[in-house]
Amino acid sequence: DAKTTQPPSMDCAEGRAANLPCNHSTISGNEYVYWYRQIHSQGPQYIIHGLKNNETNEMASLIITEDRKSSTLILPHATLRDTAVYYCIVRVAFGVETSYDKVIFGPGTSLSVIP
Amino acid sequence: ETGVTQTPRHLVMGMTNKKSLKCEQHLGHNAMYWYKQSAKKPLELMFVYNFKEQTENNSVPSRFSPECPNSSHLFLHLHTLQPEDSALYLCASSQDPRDTQYFGPGTRLTVL
Repeated sequence: DAKTTQPPSMDCAEGRAANLPCNHSTISGNEYVYWYRQIHSQGPQYIIHGLKNNETNEMASLIITEDRKSSTLILPHATLRDTAVYYCIVRVAFGVETSYDKVIFGPGTSLSVIP
Repeated sequence: ETGVTQTPRHLVMGMTNKKSLKCEQHLGHNAMYWYKQSAKKPLELMFVYNFKEQTENNSVPSRFSPECPNSSHLFLHLHTLQPEDSALYLCASSQDPRDTQYFGPGTRLTVL
C-alpha cells in the first residue's frame, strides 16, 4: 500500500498557484518525500524531493511541515500544460544504508488547470 | 526528454505472438525497472535490475521475461499474453536502486 494520501482531484485557474497537499503521517526519519507527475499516457516526470527543509527548483516548491507528516507541492503559476496526475511518494533515498525500498505509486491527484 | 527511450511506442499483438519491448537509458545509471500501468490503476512495479542483476520480481507471471544485457539496455520479452495484459509498460532508471528514478515515455500494448 502507498504510504501517502492525496485528494483524488483538484482544479486550478490558469496563472494562479496550484497547491497540492499530501499526507504521510507514518513517514520515517530517513524517508524522503518525492513528487512526480504524469501527463496523460506519458511516463511519470520527476518534479522535486525533500527530507525536512523546504525545497525549490525551476518546476515547483515543496513545503514540508515541521513534524513531516504532511507536505504541499506548489506550482507557482499554473499553465494548461501542468494538467496531469501528481503523485506524492515517500521513500528511502540514495546514500542511506538500508535495504532497497519499493517505490509505490498511489492513485495521485488529478490536477486540471482551467483557462 | 529524460534520457530514457522506449521502443516501440505502440504495439498490438495477438495472444499467440512473441514480441519484445526495448528500453535504453543514456544517463549512466546502474539500476533499471519495468512498471505496468493498467487503465485507471496506479503504476505497478514488475522488475528491478541493479548492475545487470535482477533484484526484484514482483510476482510477475512467467509470460513476461525480462533481460538486461548491460546497464544501459533492458528488454521485456512477451509471449502468450492475455487481453488483460493490455497496458502502458514503463521503463525507468536510476543511479542506484534508492536514487531518483527517471521514466521513459512508455509502450502502449494492446493484446487482442
